[in-house]
Amino acid sequence: DQQVKQNSPSLSVQEGRISILNCDYTNSMFDYFLWYKKYPAEGPTFLISISSIKDKNEDGRFTVFLNKSAKHLSLHIVPSQPGDSAVYFCAASALKTSYDKVIFGPGTSLSVIP
Amino acid sequence: DGGITQSPKYLFRKEGQNVTLSCEQNLNHDAMYWYRQDPGQGLRLIYYSQIVNDFQKGDIAEGYSVSREKKESFPLTVTSAQKNPTAFYLCASSRQGSTIYFGEGSWLTVV
Repeated sequence: DQQVKQNSPSLSVQEGRISILNCDYTNSMFDYFLWYKKYPAEGPTFLISISSIKDKNEDGRFTVFLNKSAKHLSLHIVPSQPGDSAVYFCAASALKTSYDKVIFGPGTSLSVIP
Repeated sequence: DGGITQSPKYLFRKEGQNVTLSCEQNLNHDAMYWYRQDPGQGLRLIYYSQIVNDFQKGDIAEGYSVSREKKESFPLTVTSAQKNPTAFYLCASSRQGSTIYFGEGSWLTVV
């Protein structure tokens, strides 16, 4: 049973527009969420994170929103650039109980079209 | 430069052979991890270690073994018991309760 779900395997967006990547989780014990970006044949790179005590975190063009009641988070990229084309992984962990086990979603492949 | 170094980048294994993937970090992180990625799939946890001389099985530990004799090093052995070892392997590390950082990955192919 997948505890972290990314229901859209792929997403295409025009350059300059907003990209919205979604993630749902099932475990209510998760209290720390992360987004990673991965290019082919490279390791994932950390993008942005959010703790469950917040509902929004911004870093430049990237904003993560957390809706705890819906067990849903989303990553917004504005404006989208061709270099953003990559696979994006959502990840979650329960820092209070199992802080060293991070669960990853299956990823969403984002294509930004020039 | 601080970081996580995986070697080799590409490795070929014959049927029935054990191979070891190296992972070294100089970030002074306590926790280290091994993940596997198959084409079109997400990251699956093989083993993780919170402290030297201690490690735990992840979701897909069968056919793999690890050791954590030094804080900096967490090698992964893919044994002949692993029936489908061809994949992209990722090593990662973190401070306890903090963000995980990844190495560049190692490709393992069975020939």
